[in-house]
Amino acid sequence: NAGVTQTPKFQVLKTGQSMTLQCAQDMNHEYMSWYRQDPGMGLRLIHYSVGAGITDQGEVPNGYNVSRSTTEDFPLRLLSAAPSQTSVYFCASSYSGRGGGYTFGSGTRLTVV
Amino acid sequence: AQRVTQPEKLLSVFKGAPVELKCNYSYSGSPELFWYVQYSRQRLQLLLRHISRESIKGFTADLNKGETSFHLKKPFAQEEDSAMYYCALFMDSNYQLIWGAGTKLIIKP
Repeated sequence: NAGVTQTPKFQVLKTGQSMTLQCAQDMNHEYMSWYRQDPGMGLRLIHYSVGAGITDQGEVPNGYNVSRSTTEDFPLRLLSAAPSQTSVYFCASSYSGRGGGYTFGSGTRLTVV
Repeated sequence: AQRVTQPEKLLSVFKGAPVELKCNYSYSGSPELFWYVQYSRQRLQLLLRHISRESIKGFTADLNKGETSFHLKKPFAQEEDSAMYYCALFMDSNYQLIWGAGTKLIIKP
């Protein structure tokens, strides 16, 4: 049972480049979410999904796109990378999304230069 | 506005001493609060949820609605408790989880 798998673990981008952070879970969880974590701050919600075909914006959605074509996958796309998007990104899934029982990925450390 | 505050970025105590990690929240609805922990080189994981009123690894946390607090306590710290601890508030108004900035707990031998 792999849980939540995030790839890549590390990435360096140039300003203006685009990329996709991958997130996959094998627990049949309906709820999936993407967070970013910046120094001295708590995790901030970027986008979330309550099921296949349904996504919604979180607290800091600008510059990011998501889609949820299957229950298992929830990729996060950076459309045109900016230095302000340098951060650690976490994907999480849960059965209900109500805050407890979140399973987290190992994180992606992204640097935009 | 809804907010979770963890006032201590770093807390350092000796092994065997009591530990209290502070968490205060601001939310007009009915709060659901959680403590998550991240040990070195491990993933973030759930430690406690207030509705369970359970003790995990010797830690307890009581929701105090009057003081809007959800402090995490352990009577006798162990070295393996060293980790980052995050308090989180679930808001049923928009189905989102708000996180505190985290407290790094260091247990000195």
